[in-house]
Amino acid sequence: EPEVTQTPSHQVTQMGQEVILRCVPISNHLYFYWYRQILGQKVEFLVSFYNNEISEKSEIFDDQFSVERPDGSNFTLKIRSTKLEDSAMYFCASSPTGGSQETQYFGPGTRLLVL
Amino acid sequence: RKEVEQDPGPFNVPEGATVAFNCTYSNSASQSFFWYRQDCRKEPKLLMSVYSSGNEDGRFTAQLNRASQYISLLIRDSKLSDSATYLCVVKNYGQNFVFGPGTRLSVLP
Repeated sequence: EPEVTQTPSHQVTQMGQEVILRCVPISNHLYFYWYRQILGQKVEFLVSFYNNEISEKSEIFDDQFSVERPDGSNFTLKIRSTKLEDSAMYFCASSPTGGSQETQYFGPGTRLLVL
Repeated sequence: RKEVEQDPGPFNVPEGATVAFNCTYSNSASQSFFWYRQDCRKEPKLLMSVYSSGNEDGRFTAQLNRASQYISLLIRDSKLSDSATYLCVVKNYGQNFVFGPGTRLSVLP
């Protein structure tokens, strides 16, 4: 069964450093998403991406964040200057067409720790 | 009011028990509804979509009450492997999923 994959599984960085989290969505899916989950809290939406542009973003997704699809398979989340409060699990997800009844398939996540 | 609310639990039940989880959502225009399960430090995985007529998948039954803005999940004959956090998920207009905080279930031998 096709899966969303993410790398790295864990990332430790110093405050103020840039990090890039990578995702490979399921190959025939058109919509891609990033979510985050701070330890002990609920999963929160960050951004959705379709046709090489952001289709929706939350208040969390400020100017420190950016997304890119640099080639035909990867989907990346960049945090420009990390803060302590960016420490969280970051999940990538994808869906086939973004239809209203359609589910989203989540990757295993990248655990980011900012020191 | 929070968009999606759930009783955080934990629900501790013996194997073989029947357990029910409830979820309420605040946006009356919400379009679609799902139950996901999340094991500790893992990604959310789809358990089932929730349809207006209610739907069943083996030991799991989901119900939706649009008038009351209420979703439920019933698990019959609980197994040890059902121990997880159950996430109520709502999709409004747009692409993003809105997650509830989850209800933790522990099935005890």
